[in-house]
Amino acid sequence: DAGVIQSPRHEVTEMGQEVTLRCKPISGHDYLFWYRQTMMRGLELLIYFNNNVPIDDSGMPEDRFSAKMPNASFSTLKIQPSEPRDSAVYFCASSLWGRGEKLFFGSGTQLSVL
Amino acid sequence: RKEVEQDPGPFNVPEGATVAFNCTYSNSASQSFFWYRQDCRKEPKLLMSVYSSGNEDGRFTAQLNRASQYISLLIRDSKLSDSATYLCVVNPGSNNRKLIWGLGTSLAVNP
Repeated sequence: DAGVIQSPRHEVTEMGQEVTLRCKPISGHDYLFWYRQTMMRGLELLIYFNNNVPIDDSGMPEDRFSAKMPNASFSTLKIQPSEPRDSAVYFCASSLWGRGEKLFFGSGTQLSVL
Repeated sequence: RKEVEQDPGPFNVPEGATVAFNCTYSNSASQSFFWYRQDCRKEPKLLMSVYSSGNEDGRFTAQLNRASQYISLLIRDSKLSDSATYLCVVNPGSNNRKLIWGLGTSLAVNP
């Protein structure tokens, strides 16, 4: 059974460019989470969806960040325009209601904004 | 004060040693607690949940102390493969999906 699939694995871009990160959750999971991880701040929840509906986006740092989940099998996180301080590893995770807090993470996208 | 605090380490121990990590949390109303493991440049994976009565999974034992607001992870007979970062995770509410993550404790098991 395929796990959470994220793309791309690595992204190097220049400041000001648009960046789109993609995620395919585990089939049947009804929660999807976007996290950002840095050495200084650890894992931070950016936004999460339940049944494709955004529930809490209070962790989205600025209006430059947006996330969508058009269907149960796909989500995107977009940064426009990107800035060097956005450099981090971005993880997508999914989970199933009733299974507690067992999150299944994708392999992450290492984003470097120059 | 951070919501979840961990000693970052690194803890360097020889194979076969017993090592313990603690994690403190600030919200006394927190509902559930977990340990995740993260290997270098990999994604976090659930290691074990932490129950009020304490729980054991093979060489790993997790305990919760609500009065002092900390959880612990004990690893017995350390293996080289236990080398990783151990993340303490707290759920502040029963219907809340916003987990609070510690920065992690780094463990290096040496031959």
